[in-house]
Amino acid sequence: DAGVTQSPTHLIKTRGQHVTLRCSPISGHKSVSWYQQVLGQGPQFIFQYYEKEERGRGNFPDRFSARQFPNYSSELNVNALLLGDSALYLCASSPGTLSYEQYFGPGTRLTVT
Amino acid sequence: QKEVEQNSGPLSVPEGAIASLNCTYSDRGSQSFFWYRQYSGKSPELIMFIYSNGDKEDGRFTAQLNKASQYVSLLIRDSQPSDSATYLCAVPPGSGNTPLVFGKGTRLSVIA
Repeated sequence: DAGVTQSPTHLIKTRGQHVTLRCSPISGHKSVSWYQQVLGQGPQFIFQYYEKEERGRGNFPDRFSARQFPNYSSELNVNALLLGDSALYLCASSPGTLSYEQYFGPGTRLTVT
Repeated sequence: QKEVEQNSGPLSVPEGAIASLNCTYSDRGSQSFFWYRQYSGKSPELIMFIYSNGDKEDGRFTAQLNKASQYVSLLIRDSQPSDSATYLCAVPPGSGNTPLVFGKGTRLSVIA
C-alpha cells in the first residue's frame, strides 16, 4: 500500500510570496494533520482535518490556512512568507480523529529567501 | 502549556550496547505515548506506542511507561550503527485539540 505522499519535495520562495503544499493520505485514512519542523526541534502542530472539517489548530498566525478535499487529500497554504517559515512541512494521516497513531509523509522542505 | 521534555543528546553508545532514551511529560491526563525515529533529512517514522504502565517489547525495542512519575523511556538492545538517528517522544494531550505534542528529540549515535 502507498504511504502518505507530499508534493513538492523541495521549494524555494521569496519573502512575501505565497505557497501551497499538497498531501495525499494513506488509503482509508480520513484524518490529515500538518506539522512544521524547524531544524533541531520536534514537529509543531499546525492543523488537523477530518472529513473535510477543521478539527484542531495550533498556535500559528492566520497566514497559515488549510483545507481537505472529498478524497481526503489536503492542501496547506501559507501567505506573505517570512524567513522564519523556512522549515520541513510534514503531513501525517491517521484513520480518524480518535486515533493518535500518526503516519508521516516524506515532507516538503521550504526555503524562504 | 503541555510540554514533552527530552535530553537533546547526543547520546553515544558502542555497537551492541543498550541505548536508553528518556522522556517526561507534563500533562497527567495523557493516556498514550509514541516513539518516532527520524533519520537526518527524513520524516519521522512511528516505531512504538504504549498505553499501559509497564513494559512493551517489540524486537530490539522496549518502551517503558510510568504514569505516576510521568515518565516514558525507550530501550534499544544490541544497538546497531543503523539505529543512529533522532528519537522523538510524542504525547497526545489529555485535553484540547492537538493530535500530538512532540519533544525536541534525542540524537543517538551508535559507534561501530
